[in-house]
Amino acid sequence: EDKVVQSPLSLVVHEGDTVTLNCSYEVTNFRSLLWYKQEKKAPTFLFMLTSSGIEKKSGRLSSILDKKELSSILNITATQTGDSAIYLCAVEVWRGADGLTFGKGTHLIIQP
Amino acid sequence: DSGVTQTPKHLITATGQRVTLRCSPRSGDLSVYWYQQSLDQGLQFLIQYYNGEERAKGNILERFSAQQFPDLHSELNLSSLELGDSALYFCASSVWGSNYGYTFGSGTRLTVV
Repeated sequence: EDKVVQSPLSLVVHEGDTVTLNCSYEVTNFRSLLWYKQEKKAPTFLFMLTSSGIEKKSGRLSSILDKKELSSILNITATQTGDSAIYLCAVEVWRGADGLTFGKGTHLIIQP
Repeated sequence: DSGVTQTPKHLITATGQRVTLRCSPRSGDLSVYWYQQSLDQGLQFLIQYYNGEERAKGNILERFSAQQFPDLHSELNLSSLELGDSALYFCASSVWGSNYGYTFGSGTRLTVV
């Protein structure tokens, strides 16, 4: 059974801090790893990672995949209160048309 | 607005009842996915349709069913509802082979009382 584990489950930091969120996976026929941000309702797409060691960046957010360690990290620098959200990690496999397997998420709270 | 439309936004119904959730995918997307999000289980994949045909099944109960119509909108039918079915139900759509993940709708919050 495919498994995605995120840590920590919850994190409270002060505005301006840098945070690192972790995601590890155990799946058969890995295709890609995705990060989503969920605020009030719909998860919104952040990154898709398929190749090991290549960092994807978007503003203060960056992510990297380590296929050897079966893991990924999501970094957020100079955090702002608007970064408060649940960050979801998901894995896609090469098995035709299966859906994504999601971790339970990291609930990030940024205090002013 | 993500382009994926789900209705209704909220639904409160009694145990034993049947409900239908509706999803219109983003223009041009042929794949529709249904997910259930509960507090203890996180986001769980239920079922996928591609251009009207069922392509994959996840943790979908036998009491639940779905279909995708010729205009590509999809409906998720939940019957014999139980208290434990209370959750957020998301629909997502994608272009086949997209490098940009799925686009999620804003979800339907179902409360079974």
